[in-house]
Amino acid sequence: GAVVSQHPSWVICKSGTSVKIECRSLDFQATTMFWYRQFPKQSLMLMATSNEGSKATYEQGVEKDKFLINHASLTLSTLTVTSAHPEDSSFYICSARAWNQPQHFGDGTRLSIL
Amino acid sequence: AQKVTQAQTEISVVEKEDVTLDCVYETRDTTYYLFWYKQPPSGELVFLIRRNSFDEQNEISGRYSWNFQKSTSSFNFTITASQVVDSAVYFCALGAYGGSQGNLIFGKGTKLSVKP
Repeated sequence: GAVVSQHPSWVICKSGTSVKIECRSLDFQATTMFWYRQFPKQSLMLMATSNEGSKATYEQGVEKDKFLINHASLTLSTLTVTSAHPEDSSFYICSARAWNQPQHFGDGTRLSIL
Repeated sequence: AQKVTQAQTEISVVEKEDVTLDCVYETRDTTYYLFWYKQPPSGELVFLIRRNSFDEQNEISGRYSWNFQKSTSSFNFTITASQVVDSAVYFCALGAYGGSQGNLIFGKGTKLSVKP
């Protein structure tokens, strides 16, 4: 089945640093990738949608300068949390899908900002 | 507006019991997709099923079955003879139909605890 790899799975870093999270589709070409954020015991909140080679489309309330998304190829998208602060601590999860196929999710990244 | 409601926040059952997770959705689209995903304690989301809106046949996969009722806008999920490994948060989701289907609208999830 479709496999999406997300790396790293856990990050702890100091306030003010930038953190990059990678999302790769391992066995299919992902026409679209999605980035979600999930707070404890809550549902997934869509942050942005990215199509390969295009600028990401951000949801309302998500700062595009804070959460930089790059989708350089059909198998890789990255989310960079710039100048991270404790309130950015969360579980970030990506998904990828091929044309007309369901979204398949990565394992998620737990980000803790000290 | 599109919306997915999972009214059951938490369900606790004893192993081997059957359990049904409810999902009710709202959409103005005439064609759409419905999904169920499982999120175990480890965090990853596991795809379980995608159903398109013009196929109302119920589906069974092992101990899992899904009942799609378009007339009541419901897409319920039943686990038969539940097992401890079924303990997880289950999300129902709604998505646009078609190749360029957009993002998913998720329900708030139902946490299922299966006790031995």
